[in-house]
Amino acid sequence: KQEVTQIPAALSVPEGENLVLNCSFTDSAIYNLQWFRQDPGKGLTSLLLIQSSQREQTSGRLNASLDKSSGRSTLYIAASQPGDSATYLCAATRSGAGSYQLTFGKGTKLSVIP
Amino acid sequence: GAVVSQHPSWVICKSGTSVKIECRSLDFQATTMFWYRQFPKQSLMLMATSNEGSKATYEQGVEKDKFLINHASLTLSTLTVTSAHPEDSSFYICSASAESYEQYFGPGTRLTVT
Repeated sequence: KQEVTQIPAALSVPEGENLVLNCSFTDSAIYNLQWFRQDPGKGLTSLLLIQSSQREQTSGRLNASLDKSSGRSTLYIAASQPGDSATYLCAATRSGAGSYQLTFGKGTKLSVIP
Repeated sequence: GAVVSQHPSWVICKSGTSVKIECRSLDFQATTMFWYRQFPKQSLMLMATSNEGSKATYEQGVEKDKFLINHASLTLSTLTVTSAHPEDSSFYICSASAESYEQYFGPGTRLTVT
């Protein structure tokens, strides 16, 4: 059974800092790895998706990497802003039984202090 | 594109009553819909996977007689929490996919059982 762990559980940084969020997964047989953002009481916003054959994806100030062999992914946020404050979830996708299923980590709650 | 809505966004019900949550794909046909539950500071836990026109597949530990899922059309799935109890209070999120690995998430429904 896939288990996804995110470290740290919470992180507080001053505005402008670069930061890294970590995600690890136990089963390397994943289809892809996704990073989501969740604001309080809201649904999920997809940030980046890395296919199992890829090593990284970039979108603006965000860069996600994937190392399947070690079961790790990182989300790098450059020049953090107060608007980046949210909970960041990573999820590993597996295929089976005719559908693709996501296993989520508990998330990292990020606070960017102005 | 790929918008998923949920209704209601929040609901309060009395213990012992049933409550229905709707999940709609607004601009695409969803062959598969997923229902997740999220407790405070916890990850999203997959409850069940439903394919249009067939019975839902429930994850281990999820009572299928308590959480009734109907996926009668390609744009609508419903989750009915029967005989709700305070421990069922949670944030319920649905997602929908259209014959691919990508899941599009709804905004979630906050259920409070008093």
